[in-house]
Amino acid sequence: DAKTTQPPSMDCAEGRAANLPCNHSTISGNEYVYWYRQIHSQGPQYIIHGLKNNETNEMASLIITEDRKSSTLILPHATLRDTAVYYCIVRSNTGNQFYFGTGTSLTVIP
Amino acid sequence: ETGVTQTPRHLVMGMTNKKSLKCEQHLGHNAMYWYKQSAKKPLELMFVYNFKEQTENNSVPSRFSPECPNSSHLFLHLHTLQPEDSALYLCASSPVGGLAGSTRYFGAGTRLSVL
Repeated sequence: DAKTTQPPSMDCAEGRAANLPCNHSTISGNEYVYWYRQIHSQGPQYIIHGLKNNETNEMASLIITEDRKSSTLILPHATLRDTAVYYCIVRSNTGNQFYFGTGTSLTVIP
Repeated sequence: ETGVTQTPRHLVMGMTNKKSLKCEQHLGHNAMYWYKQSAKKPLELMFVYNFKEQTENNSVPSRFSPECPNSSHLFLHLHTLQPEDSALYLCASSPVGGLAGSTRYFGAGTRLSVL
């Protein structure tokens, strides 16, 4: 599976959009991009995933560049409860690896 | 609530004890996983079960013994653990293992402390 690169930490003002970037320059055509988050000492929570097209659900939007080498997770109106570590993962359709990496620690500031 | 339930949430055990972690999912999934998350480290995949059969063991020491009696239940039996085994142990499930579009759902984890 392709590895990802994320900034170690970010801050966002409460009520503003949080844009979390992820680079996955070695992604191949059959690999999906997944986003999870982990609030301190809890299990990872699924947020969203996509292959080529942009995706939106009740939690967030996922923007994938046309060349698929990077993506951005957007939390449209960040709240204090969105403070967590956010993981960008790419995985192929073979094997069981789901590599979480070290993620981005997002702090939402009042 | 993800539909994946882990018990106990917290466990303290001595190095000579035997204990078991339990995971249960009510999502109708056919794949289940054990992960370990040590302090300041990424999640590490330990075991994978597909349709009750173990399909992956990532060089996990034999003091960790998984059991999957059916597709809804997964256990991790622990014996003669070491203090460095203290970590958050996470269970996950997915509709089918090994498929790229198969989302993995996690339980809240068991925080294990080995004294």
